[in-house]
Amino acid sequence: DTEVTQTPKHLVMGMTNKKSLKCEQHMGHRAMYWYKQKAKKPPELMFVYSYEKLSINESVPSRFSPECPNSSLLNLHLHALQPEDSALYLCASSLGLSEKLFFGSGTQLSVL
Amino acid sequence: AQSVTQPDIHITVSEGASLELRCNYSYGATPYLFWYVQSPGQGLQLLLKYFSGDTLVQGIKGFEAEFKRSQSSFNLRKPSVHWSDAAEYFCAVANMFSGGYNKLIFGAGTRLAVHP
Repeated sequence: DTEVTQTPKHLVMGMTNKKSLKCEQHMGHRAMYWYKQKAKKPPELMFVYSYEKLSINESVPSRFSPECPNSSLLNLHLHALQPEDSALYLCASSLGLSEKLFFGSGTQLSVL
Repeated sequence: AQSVTQPDIHITVSEGASLELRCNYSYGATPYLFWYVQSPGQGLQLLLKYFSGDTLVQGIKGFEAEFKRSQSSFNLRKPSVHWSDAAEYFCAVANMFSGGYNKLIFGAGTRLAVHP
């Protein structure tokens, strides 16, 4: 299995909703990442987890809350989002912190 | 600060023609450089990477890239483009030494269109 699987593929939510994005990999990778990509823009790093511990938070607003319950799973909990948070959210993983990244297909999020 | 510049926002080529996508980087030390491809609504797929050694790097799908330190460039090439190559291409530099994590800094991307 050489895939990073993200669910759901599409999500529409209101500004008062609470939702979660899920990312899963079974490649034994110990580093996992969340990236945000606005339309027609490059991806921007949000969070990095290494060995299930949060290593990097790129000054992301607290309405985004990451969670790494185990080495294969990475969640992104969403609460009280704004319409400008609408974007493609990409999960990635790597064997170690300095290894190449494998990306999932992303969750296309629309906040109404 | 590290940065990546892709001067061409949009490129159109005919199927079968050769392709070169430009990438210039700014990085203090020896850079770790990548090219990724993204189809609409999809994640990113790694085409090739340069860490050290031979400056001409071969990748998947017939792509290659050449690292030129004197020009701070890492241009992507393909001798004959296929219609399925139409996508967004991102050049990226990795900040490997800031806390040791793999932070990819992406260029703005080049959208490739292929005419039949």
